[in-house]
Amino acid sequence: GENVEQHPSTLSVQEGDSAVIKCTYSDSASNYFPWYKQELGKRPQLIIDIRSNVGEKKDQRIAVTLNKTAKHFSLHITETQPEDSAVYFCAATQPSGYSTLTFGKGTMLLVSP
Amino acid sequence: DSGVTQTPKHLITATGQRVTLRCSPRSGDLSVYWYQQSLDQGLQFLIQYYNGEERAKGNILERFSAQQFPDLHSELNLSSLELGDSALYFCASSEVESSYEQYFGPGTRLTVT
Repeated sequence: GENVEQHPSTLSVQEGDSAVIKCTYSDSASNYFPWYKQELGKRPQLIIDIRSNVGEKKDQRIAVTLNKTAKHFSLHITETQPEDSAVYFCAATQPSGYSTLTFGKGTMLLVSP
Repeated sequence: DSGVTQTPKHLITATGQRVTLRCSPRSGDLSVYWYQQSLDQGLQFLIQYYNGEERAKGNILERFSAQQFPDLHSELNLSSLELGDSALYFCASSEVESSYEQYFGPGTRLTVT
C-alpha cells in the first residue's frame, strides 16, 4: 500500500517568513495530493490540492509543487502570519474507487509574531 | 463550515459500553469516510461507504462497524469499548467514489473511562 512520509514534524518561523513542508510517497500510481490544515481541536480543512497532470498550483499565499519522478510534493506558505499556526497534513491517493487517502504524520507549524 | 455534520460533539462512556456516532455528508456527496485521530497518531482511515455500499476498509477493529443509509447519512458503531478507543472520530464526505476532495466534519470526541 501507499506510504507517505512528511517532514519536518515541527517548524517554527517568524511572522513574514516562508515555510516549506515536504512529503514523499511510495506508490507511483498515486495521482492526487491534498493538503489539510488542522487547528487545535478542529476539523482538518482542505487548503489546496494538486493532481499529477500539473507540477505546481498556487492559491494566494500558499502553493504546492509536485515532482512525480522523485515522488515528492511540497507545501509552500509565503508571508506567514500567526493564524497560519496549525498542524498541516499531506496525503496521497490513487484514482480508484477502492483507493483511500493515506496521510502523513503531520507538521506542527508555529508562527511567532 | 464544510457542510458535513457530526453528532454528538462529545461522548463520555465507560469501558465495555457501545456507542453510535452519526455523520451527515454534504449535500450531493455520495461517499462517506470515517477516520480516527488519537493524540499520538495522525489520521487513521477506518472505512469508506459510497452510495450505501462499503468501498474500502482500513485499520478498523472488528469491534467497530459502520453503515450508510439510503438518505446517505452514516453511523459508526463502536462496541466493547476500551480505554485506547478514546480519540477524535471524524467523518468526511466527497462527491465522487474516489478519495478526491474530502471535506471533514467537526468530529466527535470520544472519552472512554
